[in-house]
Order: sequence, then C-alpha cells, then structure tokens
Amino acid sequence: EPEVTQTPSHQVTQMGQEVILRCVPISNHLYFYWYRQILGQKVEFLVSFYNNEISEKSEIFDDQFSVERPDGSNFTLKIRSTKLEDSAMYFCASSETARSSYNEQFFGPGTRLTVL
Amino acid sequence: GQNIDQPTEMTATEGAIVQINCTYQTSGFNGLFWYQQHAGEAPTFLSYNVLDGLEEKGRFSSFLSRSKGYSYLLLKELQMKDSASYLCAVRGDRGTGANNLFFGTGTRLTVIP
Repeated sequence: EPEVTQTPSHQVTQMGQEVILRCVPISNHLYFYWYRQILGQKVEFLVSFYNNEISEKSEIFDDQFSVERPDGSNFTLKIRSTKLEDSAMYFCASSETARSSYNEQFFGPGTRLTVL
Repeated sequence: GQNIDQPTEMTATEGAIVQINCTYQTSGFNGLFWYQQHAGEAPTFLSYNVLDGLEEKGRFSSFLSRSKGYSYLLLKELQMKDSASYLCAVRGDRGTGANNLFFGTGTRLTVIP
C-alpha cells in the first residue's frame, strides 16, 4: 500500500540553526501539506501546496518557514532559524485531490524536531 | 476563526460501545473527518462526513449534523487496541482549492478489560 514517508524520524538542532524536513508524498497525489503537533497539543495546519506553489498557509507559517518541491518526488519544509518553540512533531500529508467531495489526507510518520 | 471541541479523555470497557462527540464552529465547512492517533504515531483516517447522517464502516460509525455543528464517532465491540486518541477535524476552505484540516485537541480513549 502506498504511503507517505518522512526523514529524518528525529532531528535535534541548536537554536538559530536551519533545518530541512523531508517528505515523499504518495506518487499520484497532487496536494501536499505540513502540520505540526507540539507535545500534548492538537495537530495544527501549517501550509498546503499545489501546482508548485503555496495554496494556503496559517499564521504559524511565518517568514522563517518555507516549502519546496525540489524534484518530482520530495516535498520539504525548511525552518530558517529555529526557536525553542519550534520543537514539535512535524507531519507531512498528501491527498489525491482537494475539490472532490471525498478526499482523505494520508499522513506520514512524522519528524520529531527538538530545538535545544 | 475555527473552534472544535471534544472531550479530553474517555474510558470504556472492552466489548462495549463508546460515543465520542465533537462540536465545531468554523468559518467554512467542507467536510468532517475522524482520525485515530496512537501515541507517537501519525493520524490515520477513520471516517468522513459531508452530508447529514450516519456513515458506517465496520465497527466504526460517524454521524454529522451540519445545522447543529455536531458530529460523533461511535466505536462498537471495543478492543484493547482501540486505546488511542481520536481526532475530529474539519475541512473548512472551499474557495482556494486548498484542503487544510482544522483539528480538535483529540479525545484520549482508554479501553479497560
């Protein structure tokens, strides 16, 4: 069964450093998303991406964040200068379409980011 | 804004039935999803409702009332492996083609023998 994959599973970084989280969405999917979940809190939407551009972003997704699809398979989230409060589990998700009435988002296993 | 409310925790007995409620107030509505999330793992899809009524899928059923901003997830014949968090999520945006989900805080269900 096709699945979303994410690397690394765990990333530890120093405050102020740049990190890149990587995701490989399901191959025939067109819409890609990043969510984050701070420990013990709810899953929060960050950004959605379609047709090589951002479709929508939340207020969390400020100038420190960027997304890219550098090739035909990877989808990355970059945090330019990490802060302590960026420590969270980051989930990538993908879906086949957005406009259809039924559209399941498939989530990857997550990358746990720890900022020291 | 988006406001999605669920009970924080519930406990039920193996073999029993449990109903997890979710109420929502969102700026748009384009479907409601239920996800299961085991500790430290990714959310996995359980059910989807966009029209009023009940959707049944094996041991899981989900109900939606759009006029009341209300949904519930019904789990039957509970098994120990059903111990997990259950996340209610609303797809709120219809205009841009994006499909982002707004999640509730989740209900942690503990199934006891």
